[in-house]
Amino acid sequence: RKEVEQDPGPFNVPEGATVAFNCTYSNSASQSFFWYRQDCRKEPKLLMSVYSSGNEDGRFTAQLNRASQYISLLIRDSKLSDSATYLCVVISNDYKLSFGAGTTVTVRA
Amino acid sequence: ETGVTQSPTHLIKTRGQQVTLRCSSQSGHNTVSWYQQALGQGPQFIFQYYREEENGRGNFPPRFSGLQFPNYSSELNVNALELDDSALYLCASSLGTIEGETQYFGPGTRLLVL
Repeated sequence: RKEVEQDPGPFNVPEGATVAFNCTYSNSASQSFFWYRQDCRKEPKLLMSVYSSGNEDGRFTAQLNRASQYISLLIRDSKLSDSATYLCVVISNDYKLSFGAGTTVTVRA
Repeated sequence: ETGVTQSPTHLIKTRGQQVTLRCSSQSGHNTVSWYQQALGQGPQFIFQYYREEENGRGNFPPRFSGLQFPNYSSELNVNALELDDSALYLCASSLGTIEGETQYFGPGTRLLVL
């Protein structure tokens, strides 16, 4: 079983829609979680950290569910510029960092 | 831009050859991590250097090796290249070690092994 798994998508949504997707992790002792965004043929860039209490940054909301071992990302009022691959990152208690394979989101006009 | 630079941007090698990739970290950052990203996959952690010492390694064979210099720039060396080594190689710099520290990625080096 992979340490971090994501639904690859693609999620094709119209502008203004809400889209949400999850990332599951296998190591229950994982302690830090992040969402990165990667545009086509570009490097990953940090989107947001994921805190235990959940956190929001504008139209983006990240949640952590430790009991079920997943994190989620929700994008409200989707923009064309949100089209990208979203990578989740999980850091284990022994500081091993693992990326998911990414979830592709395409926002259409 | 993140301030992290990598060279070269693209490289073509043949099987069995050796390659050296370079990374200059963001000013003030003492930690560099290297990743391999195959097409359609997420980045896979190769290793990390902190203050010139290796500080963690992923599941990559010994033919993947690295260095970090006193100015915190770094090199990734791959010997005896294999076709499966074709990938985007990313370096990321951070102010400290992995846990909780934001990593800033460079644009990557695209390596094609023929």
